Formats: sequence, C-alpha cells, structure tokens
Amino acid sequence: GQQLNQSPQSMFIQEGEDVSMNCTSSSIFNTWLWYKQDPGEGPVLLIALYKAGELTSNGRLTAQFGITRKDSFLNISASIPSDVGIYFCAGQGPAGANNLFFGTGTRLTVIP
Amino acid sequence: DGGITQSPKYLFRKEGQNVTLSCEQNLNHDAMYWYRQDPGQGLRLIYYSQIVNDFQKGDIAEGYSVSREKKESFPLTVTSAQKNPTAFYLCASKAGTGSNTQYFGPGTRLTVL
Repeated sequence: GQQLNQSPQSMFIQEGEDVSMNCTSSSIFNTWLWYKQDPGEGPVLLIALYKAGELTSNGRLTAQFGITRKDSFLNISASIPSDVGIYFCAGQGPAGANNLFFGTGTRLTVIP
Repeated sequence: DGGITQSPKYLFRKEGQNVTLSCEQNLNHDAMYWYRQDPGQGLRLIYYSQIVNDFQKGDIAEGYSVSREKKESFPLTVTSAQKNPTAFYLCASKAGTGSNTQYFGPGTRLTVL
C-alpha cells in the first residue's frame, strides 16, 4: 500500500514557536486529514480538508489542501507543551476508494 | 457517550497462541478498519469491512482474521501464523461511502512473550 512522504520526521522546538510540517504524495487525493497521536493512544482527528486549495483552521492549527491535490501542510502557531505528540497526515483517493493512506508521522517535542 | 472502544488496553500472549482483540463502536458507522502500528512507522491496514458480513484484506492481512457479524463489532484475531505480532493495534470506523473521515479507538498493545 502507498505511504505518504511526511516531513520532517521529528522536531524539537521552544515553547511559543510556530511549527510547520507537510505531506506529499505521487497520487491525487480527494481528502486530506491530519491526526495527532499521544503515546499509547489512538490518533485524534485535528482537521479534515475536502477541496483543493482549502485552508482550514482549528484554534492554533491551520492546514491547507494543496492546489495540485498531491500535498498538504499543517501549521501550529505559538506552540505549548501539550502539543507534544506524533502528527500524521492521511489522504484518501478518488470517489469509491475506501482506504486512507498514512504518512509516517512527525514527532513533535516542545521544550518549555 | 458515542465512540469506539477497544479492549483490552494491554495484552500479553505466549508464542503459538491465537488471541482476539475487541473493537466496538456505537456511532452507527458502516465501515470499520484494523491497523497495525510499529514504532516509528505509520499505520498499515490489516483488514476492513464496509458492511456487515463483508470484509476485505488490507496490505498486511497474512496471519490475521476478522469477522463482522454485527454492525457495531469488528473483532481481530491474531493467529499463530503471524510471524511478528508484537505491535500496537488500532481500530477505526467511518460513517459510510459518503464520508472520508475515520475515527480511531484507543488501541490495544499486544506483546508476544
């Protein structure tokens, strides 16, 4: 199965800094999703994107669905310690496709 | 509360034994999924089911089996044929073909001793 290219693999930042991570694919997707996973827990949905060019915010989080439909980014502004975790992107293909393809994750560490 | 539950949270198994992981959802979702997660890796699809009494193999189905006798339940059996079963197992569900958003359970960590 396809896996998405997600970068960076890990990030160490100071509290208060902004964060940016992105995902790219060789295939076109109709949906991009961003999840956050805390250690030993299931991923929690942060933002869902359904249209090319769409820019959506959820509090301090902002995500965009790339115009080419082959990429997406997630920004976190003014990071706080509870932002620590692993962030996954996921994409779903054309209508009728049932499966999500996941990135390999970005591990975020916030230094107080 | 609506949601997806997985049990148990931690499971230990001796090599050569089969074990069944539970996944239940009360969201009235049609589709359910099982993923495996290994350290430092993304999620890999084991099996999925779009409707009751139907399921399909994912990317890494060998050594696993599932059933979907009820809409709300999708148990996963890890058989002794699975060569490297120690992993974190995640169950997910989504509303149906009109929805692209999957929601995850809390996961079960399986350790084979």
